[in-house]
Amino acid sequence: SQQGEEDPQALSIQEGENATMNCSYKTSINNLQWYRQNSGRGLVHLILIRSNEREKHSGRLRVTLDTSKKSSSLLITASRAADTASYFCATSNQGGKLIFGQGTELSVKP
Amino acid sequence: DAGVIQSPRHEVTEMGQEVTLRCKPISGHNSLFWYRQTMMRGLELLIYFNNNVPIDDSGMPEDRFSAKMPNASFSTLKIQPSEPRDSAVYFCASSFRGPSTDTQYFGPGTRLTVL
Repeated sequence: SQQGEEDPQALSIQEGENATMNCSYKTSINNLQWYRQNSGRGLVHLILIRSNEREKHSGRLRVTLDTSKKSSSLLITASRAADTASYFCATSNQGGKLIFGQGTELSVKP
Repeated sequence: DAGVIQSPRHEVTEMGQEVTLRCKPISGHNSLFWYRQTMMRGLELLIYFNNNVPIDDSGMPEDRFSAKMPNASFSTLKIQPSEPRDSAVYFCASSFRGPSTDTQYFGPGTRLTVL
């Protein structure tokens, strides 16, 4: 079964707006990662946040992690048409493998 | 670095035929993963190797699927015999698994269609 579940499943916004995606998971984790997948391509790693971190930034990306609620959010600020893609959260535990959620499909309209 | 290389990029075959997918991980990476992605089931981990040794194959659907990693620079995923329900995009990913990192790098995928 999936460890991570993203919300919403699909999000459509205008260029320049902010996009927020959420991820919930079920068990304890070492870290949580966010990946992006453009249509017809492989997944690309965006950002990793460790279980002892609460917030992390990378360019226009901001990730938060709340281990007490077993949830994370990904914020993309000032979105661009090129941000149109599917976004996945993935959790990692001691076992060394990642468990991916079903993803959020983001559409940014110019 | 060329990244993770997968071949073929597209494969169309008939039910009952053997299919072999190939993957070359990033040089220096010690872990390799095979995933399958479909609209219905999302991204599923099939099997992963650490230092060329299979660690977890619990995601392999059934005995028709097998995977090998004869050396650090090559892995295969074989389906024999193939069935229409095997149609999916198959991704290979590699990582350098250390105490503080396990970011995975994905290949472009192989789109398999079984008629």
